[in-house]
Amino acid sequence: QQQVKQSPQSLIVQKGGISIINCAYENTAFDYFPWYQQFPGKGPALLIAIRPDVSEKKEGRFTISFNKSAKQFSLHIMDSQPGDSATYFCAARDDKIIFGKGTRLHILP
Amino acid sequence: KAGVTQTPRYLIKTRGQQVTLSCSPISGHRSVSWYQQTPGQGLQFLFEYFSETQRNKGNFPGRFSGRQFSNSRSEMNVSTLELGDSALYLCASSEDLGGAEAFFGQGTRLTVV
Repeated sequence: QQQVKQSPQSLIVQKGGISIINCAYENTAFDYFPWYQQFPGKGPALLIAIRPDVSEKKEGRFTISFNKSAKQFSLHIMDSQPGDSATYFCAARDDKIIFGKGTRLHILP
Repeated sequence: KAGVTQTPRYLIKTRGQQVTLSCSPISGHRSVSWYQQTPGQGLQFLFEYFSETQRNKGNFPGRFSGRQFSNSRSEMNVSTLELGDSALYLCASSEDLGGAEAFFGQGTRLTVV
């Protein structure tokens, strides 16, 4: 049973465009929703996170939008750059962190 | 502050053997979690240790075990290796139990032949 569903699996965006990755969950006990970025040969790195009492959080070009009633959250990368090309994982925490399957993002130069 | 250190970075083992992987967390972090990453299954939670005690366990067979030492360093052991155990094993440390703001190491790439 996949507790955190992530889409799309892969995404290609032009440089300067907006990259959008979506996640959905079922467990209302989740209390923390982080996003991780992973480059080849590296471990995942915490990018940005949100708690369910907040609808939006912005850090630089990265924004999380959170819809508690729909049990959905998304990552928006504004002005996407080739250096943003990586795999992105959404996640949710109850007593452990559960990850989505990941989105491979490629930004065209 | 040094990051999470995992050793070794790469390992090749034969089916039936056992393997021990090591993880040194960020100084001051007391929680260490282990994950298995494969292309098909993604990141799957193995277990979490806090104050030398296993606090949580994922859905893996008993061949997968771990421990944590008084200095918070952790080891995980896989016995009777199977081909399907080939994966990237990641360790994450956090200040508190539950993994909020977890910081990952670079992982150990295990290949079972």
